[in-house]
Order: sequence, then structure tokens, then C-alpha cells
Amino acid sequence: DTEVTQTPKHLVMGMTNKKSLKCEQHMGHRAMYWYKQKAKKPPELMFVYSYEKLSINESVPSRFSPECPNSSLLNLHLHALQPEDSALYLCASSQDHKSANEKLFFGSGTQLSVL
Amino acid sequence: GNSVTQMEGPVTLSEEAFLTINCTYTATGYPSLFWYVQYPGEGLQLLLKATKADDKGSNKGFEATYRKETTSFHLEKGSVQVSDSAVYFCALSESGGSEKLVFGKGTKLTVNP
Repeated sequence: DTEVTQTPKHLVMGMTNKKSLKCEQHMGHRAMYWYKQKAKKPPELMFVYSYEKLSINESVPSRFSPECPNSSLLNLHLHALQPEDSALYLCASSQDHKSANEKLFFGSGTQLSVL
Repeated sequence: GNSVTQMEGPVTLSEEAFLTINCTYTATGYPSLFWYVQYPGEGLQLLLKATKADDKGSNKGFEATYRKETTSFHLEKGSVQVSDSAVYFCALSESGGSEKLVFGKGTKLTVNP
């Protein structure tokens, strides 16, 4: 199994809603990532988890709250989002984020629309 | 800081044409360089990579050579197919690892039959 699975594929939410994005991998990878990708733009790193601990937070607003319950799962909890947060949210994983020659495996993403 | 500059798209080619997508970078140290591809409606996939000067990455007919003297990592393919239509991202990692990849803006390629 070389897949990173993200759910849901599409999400529409209001600014007062609370929702969660989910990501799962069963490749034994110990590093997991959240990226945000606006239309026609490159992905931007949000968070990195390494061995289930938050390793990098790229100054992301607190309305985005990541969680790594175990080595296979990564969640992104959303609360009080703004319309400008509408984007494709990509999850990725790798064996170990500090190793040279590392390869990122990306999921297909969750397309989020905030109304 | 580190940065990646890609040629502006979109690029439109006919099937079997030669492809070049230019990529140059600015970085301290000795970064690893990557090309990722994003097909419509999907996440990114690693296409190829190079970890040191003069390395050539290759995959699926695509090639790119790490040129330290020109700080470049141009993507080439001798004969493109309709199925190559996608967005291509050049990226670098200063540490060589996958953390904090810096992506270029992406180049959209459309190949017509």
C-alpha cells in the first residue's frame, strides 16, 4: 500500500462551523505533513509531524489545529475559518523528514470552500 | 532565503514535441532538487530528483541535470504524450530531506494530439 488517503475529497463549510480533515497512510512513514494549495499556486507547508510530535508550524493561524493520534493518522481541525482559507489541503508523508533523498507521498487532497 | 524560479506557463505542445521547462534556484549550501508533477484533480507525485551537482534524475522519459555552475535543474523530455498534460513543480530542499520543501510556482503543460 503506497497511498495516502484523504477524506473528505470536498468540503463546504460556513465560517462558524467546526470540521476536520483526515489523512491516513499505512506505509510505516514517521513524518506527516499538511500543505495548503491555492488555485494555480504551489503548495505551501503548514505543519510537519515527526514521530507523532509537531516538528514544524509555519506560523499557521490558530483556527487550524493539527493532531496526530498515531503514526498512521493525521487530522486537521478547522474552526472559524475565513473565505480566504478556501483551498486544496494536501496531506503528505515520508519515511523520515530529516533523511537525505527523502520522497514525499501526497494524497489527492481535500478541496475546501468556506462560505 | 531559498527560492525556486520556473518558467512562466502555460506551455502548449503537440504530441511528440520536445519539452523543456526551465528551473533555476537560489540556496545556501548544497540543496537537493526535485521535480513533482500534479495531474488534474490529484496530489503531487515525485517525478525525479538529484541530490548533488552533475547528478541526472530521470523517470518516464523525463530528465533533469543538477547544474551547480548555472544553479539550474531544467526538465526535458524528447517526445511528449497527451498523458503528460499536468502541472510541473520544481522544488528544492536545502537540508536534502523532505522537510520544508520550497516549490516553484508551477508550469502547466498541455499536450494536444
